[in-house]
Amino acid sequence: EIVLTQSPGTLSLSPGERATLSCRASQSVSSNYLAWYRQKPGQAPRLLISGASSRATGIPDRFSGSGSGTDFTLTIGRLEPEDFAVYYCQQYGSSPYTFGQGTKLEIK
Amino acid sequence: QVQLQESGPGLVKPSGTLSLTCTVSGGSMNGYYWSWIRQPPGKGLEWIGYIYYSGSTNYNPSLKSRVTISVDTSKNQISLKLSSVTAADTAVYYCARGSGWYYYWGQGTLVTVSS
Repeated sequence: EIVLTQSPGTLSLSPGERATLSCRASQSVSSNYLAWYRQKPGQAPRLLISGASSRATGIPDRFSGSGSGTDFTLTIGRLEPEDFAVYYCQQYGSSPYTFGQGTKLEIK
Repeated sequence: QVQLQESGPGLVKPSGTLSLTCTVSGGSMNGYYWSWIRQPPGKGLEWIGYIYYSGSTNYNPSLKSRVTISVDTSKNQISLKLSSVTAADTAVYYCARGSGWYYYWGQGTLVTVSS
């Protein structure tokens, strides 16, 4: 089973700032099958990125994903108020599919 | 617009069986995979497994001995059964479309395991 470790656990930033979230895999993620989600309290996760770098339908271009192999990054260009939430990475390259433990992005 | 809605008992007794249904509207089930994912209160996400519309399945080995996912395309529904539940199975259970990444999700339903 691939273990995904996200860092930092909590990130404190201000609206308008740039956020960089990391996701490291315990082994290489096949075909860079890595997704990113944003989850607000009381809501289901929302897909942001699939295939490590492809934005999902309706996701603004301030969100970008990068990386390959075992190291992946989600960058949010300019933080909007709705971006303060918990972010999860997920690998779907090998079963069982696994999620990271999450990064909480909070308002500084 | 595809919509998914989970339903089922919100309270299950320890050692009992958790049974949930996910009803799909706004689109066909044919040609798609359908998944279950859960999230214990205040914790992260856990993939439970998926089913193809034709019935083939893939389960998380950590739950495989206790879980059954089934599909009824005539009713546009997928079902989840989890047997021998304990307090550790208390979670919000989500259904989602897909076998890898998930764009369409249900709103989730909280199932509490308690006597």
